[in-house]
Amino acid sequence: DAGVIQSPRHEVTEMGQEVTLRCKPISGHDYLFWYRQTMMRGLELLIYFNNNVPIDDSGMPEDRFSAKMPNASFSTLKIQPSEPRDSAVYFCASSFRGGADYEQYFGPGTRLTVT
Amino acid sequence: AQSVTQLDSHVSVSEGTPVLLRCNYSSSYSPSLFWYVQHPNKGLQLLLKYTSAATLVKGINGFEAEFKKSETSFHLTKPSAHMSDAAEYFCVVSDPAGFQKLVFGTGTRLLVSP
Repeated sequence: DAGVIQSPRHEVTEMGQEVTLRCKPISGHDYLFWYRQTMMRGLELLIYFNNNVPIDDSGMPEDRFSAKMPNASFSTLKIQPSEPRDSAVYFCASSFRGGADYEQYFGPGTRLTVT
Repeated sequence: AQSVTQLDSHVSVSEGTPVLLRCNYSSSYSPSLFWYVQHPNKGLQLLLKYTSAATLVKGINGFEAEFKKSETSFHLTKPSAHMSDAAEYFCVVSDPAGFQKLVFGTGTRLLVSP
């Protein structure tokens, strides 16, 4: 398997624009996670899905952020409108099952810069 | 709430010398603990995990960690550093309210000099 795939790897956009980040989890994994990494706040869980259903979105910073998982092989994280403080690296991860015994596999991340 | 504290933001060692990265945890439950490594411009990779089995946990690339409940610590060690070990290391605790939720420490950057 190719691992977790994220696109784009880098995104530069202007404030106010819509940004869509994409993730393809490892085939057969039924949990998918979105994380954000910043210098100030470190790594934070934004939202996670189980079998395509959002389970916990308490980490989503505000209504400008939304995430969907229309099928088992694709998820999006959308920011509309984007702001400079959204600049960060966004990671997608997937795991086979829930629970501490199951490793989360991380994608390479999308580095977002909002000017 | 669960949390981890990584006691050093940066650790510098020479190649061939031992590595010690320190982590203390806070948990009202018996925690599951992990160490992840992040190489520059890469995603995170699991090094090892503790899930209430043996207190000394062996991971990949020669790393190991010991769970010490009395000290609430989970320090990461390696007997001999290699140049390829230079990376950022994260100590992580899982939230028992939802084992899928990982809480990350602030990270320790390991620098390895020749």
